[in-house]
Amino acid sequence: QVQLVQSGAEVKKPGSSVKVSCKASGGTFSNNAISWVRQAPGQGLEWMGGIIPIYGVINYVQKFQGRVTFTTDESTSTAYMELRSLRSEDAAVYFCARGGVYCGSSSCYPAYYDGMDVWGQGTTVTVAS
Amino acid sequence: QPALTQPASVSGSPGQSITISCTGTSSDVGGYNLVSWYQQHPGKAPKLMIFEVTKRPSGVSDRFSGSKSGDTASLTISGLQAEDEANYFCCSCAGSGTVVFGGGTKLTVL
Repeated sequence: QVQLVQSGAEVKKPGSSVKVSCKASGGTFSNNAISWVRQAPGQGLEWMGGIIPIYGVINYVQKFQGRVTFTTDESTSTAYMELRSLRSEDAAVYFCARGGVYCGSSSCYPAYYDGMDVWGQGTTVTVAS
Repeated sequence: QPALTQPASVSGSPGQSITISCTGTSSDVGGYNLVSWYQQHPGKAPKLMIFEVTKRPSGVSDRFSGSKSGDTASLTISGLQAEDEANYFCCSCAGSGTVVFGGGTKLTVL
């Protein structure tokens, strides 16, 4: 059973960058869609976008476009999320999550929206001067 | 502002049933049978409870069920138990392969 193990908590200064890793343990995720989801303190879940390694597809939510980069290293089954120009409002727990495989009428393919069935434990990012 | 609207809180007594609604538009909830629901206990990662509107992953209790009518999806929990007390989030495909979440609903078991 695949588990997603994320890197540890980070404390960053405003204007700096953070890079969070998400390693698949017990399997790989190259055939899945990996989403990045964040949750500010006491708030709801916010989809930031994701990456589908097998197709080389990367999706960024417009709000984060230009400030965030998603990458993967398939040799180590690790996904990365880098967020730049950090602001106080970026303080949150950042999760990676594996999407399911959606089967349409003629084919099946990895998708962010077909239930995120495996989640990382979350990485707390604190932004403070 | 979350794209999908959920009630901030619902409550019920043990053994009762509750329903949580999730209202979107024809561009998300109403346009696709791709709504999922997540349970999140404080300090924990979300857990998938329902996907594709009505399907339950292996291991999820059949006390949890999903439905959809128009632009509104619903999660029903029957036979409420103390351990069901948590936050619940809906999620929908929003076109072009993207997803949106609801603001979340806090379920209190009285």
